[in-house]
Amino acid sequence: QVQLVESGGGMVKPGGSLRLSCAASRFTFSDYYMSWVRQAPGKGLEWLSYISSGGSTIYYADSVEGRFSISRDNSKNSLYLQMNSLRAEDTAVYYCARVALVSQDAFDVWGQGTMVTVSS
Amino acid sequence: SYVLTQPPSVSVAPGQTATISCGGNNIGSKKVHWYQQKPGQAPVLVVYDDSGRPSGIPERFSGSNSGNAATLTISRVEAGDEADYYCQVWDSSSDHVLFGGGTKLTVL
Repeated sequence: QVQLVESGGGMVKPGGSLRLSCAASRFTFSDYYMSWVRQAPGKGLEWLSYISSGGSTIYYADSVEGRFSISRDNSKNSLYLQMNSLRAEDTAVYYCARVALVSQDAFDVWGQGTMVTVSS
Repeated sequence: SYVLTQPPSVSVAPGQTATISCGGNNIGSKKVHWYQQKPGQAPVLVVYDDSGRPSGIPERFSGSNSGNAATLTISRVEAGDEADYYCQVWDSSSDHVLFGGGTKLTVL
């Protein structure tokens, strides 16, 4: 079935960088807008970034603007999140999510998440 | 900035109806989506565009949206419905996706 699989999480020191990947399968990746959403331990969902199907339109949450960068490679069916200047408060499970065609801003498919821990 | 407000918790007995609210200024003018998240799992879309139901979601899940509040209604609640529920909108004034703080549904 339709699947998103995140990778690249791990432990990093404050100020460090990490690049997350999200591999899509069993759907036409290039047709869909995509997003990253995170969830800090015991907390709610926080939207981070949004990229259009061709990559020309990108939005960021204020909390990560200037530090995180979203991108995609439609030839590889992959979504990325480059995270720089990481802080302790960036510790969270990071999900990639597909934007539903039927709705334009609902997320109809989610990955299982990858954990990022920022600690010295 | 736009804020979505959800009650932290809702409790309901099995077989009864649970209603979870999502408040926001003139939220009736926006499309509201709802997600269910069970412990250790990724969120699942249960209602989109106020009242749409994705394939595979039981008819027991329904939504409405008017004025300053949107509502997720779960009829004939089952033990398996126990989860956190989040509302979500697109805020066109900021080009941001916004989530409510989440509501923990407890089935007594």
